[in-house]
Amino acid sequence: GAVVSQHPSRVICKSGTSVKIECRSLDFQATTMFWYRQFPKQSLMLMATSNEGSKATYEQGVEKDKFLINHASLTLSTLTVTSAHPEDSSFYICSASGGPDTQYFGPGTRLTVL
Amino acid sequence: QKEVEQNSGPLSVPEGAIASLNCTYSDRGSQSFFWYRQYSGKSPELIMFIYSNGDKEDGRFTAQLNKASQYVSLLIRDSQPSDSATYLCAVTLAGNNRKLIWGLGTSLAVNP
Repeated sequence: GAVVSQHPSRVICKSGTSVKIECRSLDFQATTMFWYRQFPKQSLMLMATSNEGSKATYEQGVEKDKFLINHASLTLSTLTVTSAHPEDSSFYICSASGGPDTQYFGPGTRLTVL
Repeated sequence: QKEVEQNSGPLSVPEGAIASLNCTYSDRGSQSFFWYRQYSGKSPELIMFIYSNGDKEDGRFTAQLNKASQYVSLLIRDSQPSDSATYLCAVTLAGNNRKLIWGLGTSLAVNP
């Protein structure tokens, strides 16, 4: 149980394009989903917390207009990186929590912006 | 002072030995405690969680929590080369919308 999927697993795009990443909880309802970013050899950095049906809460320093998060259902959250630039290249990981606190992680999406 | 602290390592143990990973936290209001394992280039994988003082065992893994001393540890018995990874300690605070506060991780190397 507690399986979280992410799609796509890898994406390469040109600078200026937008990229959408999907995160799904496959066998449980996720009231809260989290989006992280991780640069090579660095620790996880929480970007935002989203609760189903409400606006995401962004961490300090994360641009909400650049990283659009939608949590439209209890099993799906999406992260859209708008007008991506090379410095946005990173490993993006979502996690889902059905309660009480445990987070289960998706396999991650490796984004490369050329 | 960092909220969750771990020794970065690397911690090196021979195959078959017990690996002991430690984590301290600063907030006495911390409620839930987690150990995740992360292989290079992969996302974190939940190993164990613990809420109450004492020990919790799951197979070769034992989590130990001491709230008075504000530390949580993970013991890995009969360590295998496949256990070589970075182990991340994380805690949640009361009323923090389930947000995990992460340590920077301890790198473990199990040598055949």
